[in-house]
Amino acid sequence: KAGVTQTPRYLIKTRGQQVTLSCSPISGHRSVSWYQQTPGQGLQFLFEYFSETQRNKGNFPGRFSGRQFSNSRSEMNVSTLELGDSALYLCATAVSHRNEQFFGPGTRLTVL
Amino acid sequence: GENVEQHPSTLSVQEGDSAVIKCTYSDSASNYFPWYKQELGKGPQLIIDIRSNVGEKKDQRIAVTLNKTAKHFSLHITETQPEDSAVYFCAASRNTGNQFYFGTGTSLTVIP
Repeated sequence: KAGVTQTPRYLIKTRGQQVTLSCSPISGHRSVSWYQQTPGQGLQFLFEYFSETQRNKGNFPGRFSGRQFSNSRSEMNVSTLELGDSALYLCATAVSHRNEQFFGPGTRLTVL
Repeated sequence: GENVEQHPSTLSVQEGDSAVIKCTYSDSASNYFPWYKQELGKGPQLIIDIRSNVGEKKDQRIAVTLNKTAKHFSLHITETQPEDSAVYFCAASRNTGNQFYFGTGTSLTVIP
């Protein structure tokens, strides 16, 4: 069974730009969650999507948004990038009725 | 919201010895507690989890214990091996979706 796939693996952007990250879940997983990982703040929950609907949202500004498609693939978008947005962005997927989440390898975003 | 504290932040053990990592949580409604192992350059990998209706769970050299009354849970690794060296994260969540609250991580080094 293929694991969680995230693309791209690395990104370099400049302040003010916007970026879109993609996550393809494990087959059969309908829940996709996004996390930001930084050395200072650790792993922080951004949002969760299930059946194309945002089910939970963390405490991040509106510049962070996401969506989920009918095939359960998800994208997250960050607009007006700031230096502090540099982080590893992880997605985790799960079967809807269970809590076991499986993480992808992450997208390393660097904002210059 | 939930607050998860994890100790210690770093841990060094000799190969063959045991390692114990402890976490506390604040939300009594949390009922699912996974542990993840993260190696350099990779996403977190689920290694074991426990639900609130169980006090202990074991999988080969890894075990997790949960004390609901005291709101703490622990990871126990026995007969440690160099390949156990990684950062370990605990997490807590409710059943109402897949929003996980993570501890700050423990960097485990197993000395050959």
